[in-house]
Amino acid sequence: EIVLTQSPATLSLSPGERATLSCRASQSVTRYLAWYQQKPGQAPRLLIYDASNRATGIPARFSGSGSGTDFTLTISSLDPEDFAVYYCQQRSNWPLTFGGGTKVEIK
Amino acid sequence: QVQLVQSGAEVKKPGASVKVSCKASGYTFTSYAIHWVRQAPGQRLEWLGWINAGNGDTKYSKNFQDRVTINRDTSANTAYMQLSSLRSEDTAVYYCARAEDSKSHFMYWGQGTLVTVSS
Repeated sequence: EIVLTQSPATLSLSPGERATLSCRASQSVTRYLAWYQQKPGQAPRLLIYDASNRATGIPARFSGSGSGTDFTLTISSLDPEDFAVYYCQQRSNWPLTFGGGTKVEIK
Repeated sequence: QVQLVQSGAEVKKPGASVKVSCKASGYTFTSYAIHWVRQAPGQRLEWLGWINAGNGDTKYSKNFQDRVTINRDTSANTAYMQLSSLRSEDTAVYYCARAEDSKSHFMYWGQGTLVTVSS
């Protein structure tokens, strides 16, 4: 099973700042990595798929990069609605797995 | 628009089974897959399995292989997930999600169904 490790666990930032979130895989997932945003009481929302493709309707301030085992989600300028938990997910190998999440909180 | 509407919250006793439904609308049900993912309180998302809504093929996580069954009713555009031999650790929100195929990311999600296992 591919283990996805996200860091940091919590990121404390102010609106307008840049957020950089990391996801590391225990073995290569090539580019088959997605990022989701989840707010309390809601289902996850797909942001990025296949490492760097923005999902439909996702603002341009969200971008993804990486390949192999190291991936990054960048939010260029935090909007108040961006404070949430972010998860990565790989679709390279069975079983599909998710990271433990990074909480982006208001500083 | 694509919608996945799940059945309501359930409370079950240890050892019982639960069946959660996921009714799809806004697209051709048999052209896509349905996956099931759960999230226990404070835990990461965990994949349970998937079904090809067209031909009924399934695949399950080895963590749940002996206890989970996923099927579908194409006449009702509905997928089902049944989990048996419930234990307290199965208390979680269970989500269905639409996918392009077997190994996929998930653009569309159901609203989630809280299953509580308690004596």
